[in-house]
This record gives sequence, C-alpha cells and structure tokens, in this order.
Amino acid sequence: KAGVTQTPRYLIKTRGQQVTLSCSPISGHRSVSWYQQTPGQGLQFLFEYFSETQRNKGNFPGRFSGRQFSNSRSEMNVSTLELGDSALYLCASSSWLGETQYFGPGTRLLVL
Amino acid sequence: EDQVTQSPEALRLQEGESSSLNCSYTVSGLRGLFWYRQDPGKGPEFLFTLYSAGEEKEKERLKATLTKKESFLHITAPKPEDSATYLCAVQDNYGQNFVFGPGTRLSVLP
Repeated sequence: KAGVTQTPRYLIKTRGQQVTLSCSPISGHRSVSWYQQTPGQGLQFLFEYFSETQRNKGNFPGRFSGRQFSNSRSEMNVSTLELGDSALYLCASSSWLGETQYFGPGTRLLVL
Repeated sequence: EDQVTQSPEALRLQEGESSSLNCSYTVSGLRGLFWYRQDPGKGPEFLFTLYSAGEEKEKERLKATLTKKESFLHITAPKPEDSATYLCAVQDNYGQNFVFGPGTRLSVLP
C-alpha cells in the first residue's frame, strides 16, 4: 500500500507571497491532519479534515487554511507569507478520526 | 490542557549500550499514547500505540511501556541505525488532535 505523499517536497517563496501544499493520504484513509515542525517549537498541530469538513483546528492565524476533497486528498494554503513560516509542513492520514496517524515525508518551505 | 514532556533532550550511547527514553504526560483522559521515530528531513515513522496502563509493545530492539503518568521506550543493544529523534504524542478521550512532545535525539556510536 502506498504511503502518504506530499507535493512539492521543497519550496522557496518570498515574504508576502502565498503557497499551496498538497497531500494524498493512504488509500482508504479518510482523515488528514496537518502539522508545522520547526526546531524551536517542535511539531504543532494545524488542522484536521475528515469527510471534507474541518474537524479540529490548532492555534494558528487565519492565514493558514486548508481543505479536503471528496477523494480525501487535502491541500493547505498559507497566505501573506512571513519569515517565521519557514518550516517543515507534515501531513498525516488515518483511517478514521482519532486513529493512528501515518505521516508523509513533508514539504520543506523556506520564506526569504 | 494536554502536555507532553520528554527526557532526556539528547542521548548518546555506544553500540550495544541499552537505555530508556521517558515521555511524561498530562491529559484529562488518555485515549492513546503514540511513539514515532523521525530521521532528519523526513516525516515521523509510526512505532507503537499504547492505550492503557500496564500495556507493553515490542518491535525488534524497542519496547514501549505505559503507566498512568508516563511512558518509556526501552532500547536494547542499540545499533547505529537506531540513531534518530524519538517523538511521543498523546490523544485525549475527546479524540481530538494529537499533542506531541519535543522529542529525544538519540545518537548511537559504533
């Protein structure tokens, strides 16, 4: 079974731009969660989607948004990028809400 | 608010030198405790899920145990390929988001 895939793997953007990251969950998984990982803050929860609905949201500003499609694929968007948004963005999928999460390889975002 | 701490922050072992990593947690009601391994620049790799105090799980040189306040990840006779950051996460009974600890960075020297 193929694992979680994320595209692109690397991105370089400048302040003020926006970015869209994509995540394809493990086949059959319906829940997708997004995390931001930085050396200083560790892994921080962004949001979770299940059946195209946002079920839970972490403590991030409204510049961070996401959505999930009917095939469970998910995208997250960050608008008006700031230097502090540089991080590894991880997507994790699970078969159902609250079940074990399996992570993708991440998208490394660098904001200049 | 759910909280997870891990100790030590970093650990250096000689190959074959067994040790334990600690994960202490505060949660209103534990639904599950999860251990992951993360190599540099990669996503976390799932290792174990523990649900109740007294539960133990093993995989190769790793053994995870759970009490009401903490979990231990025991590493027996580690090899250099066990070098990674080990992350612990908890989920409460409301089934909401996972809360991750800061991780323990393990280095196993040949």
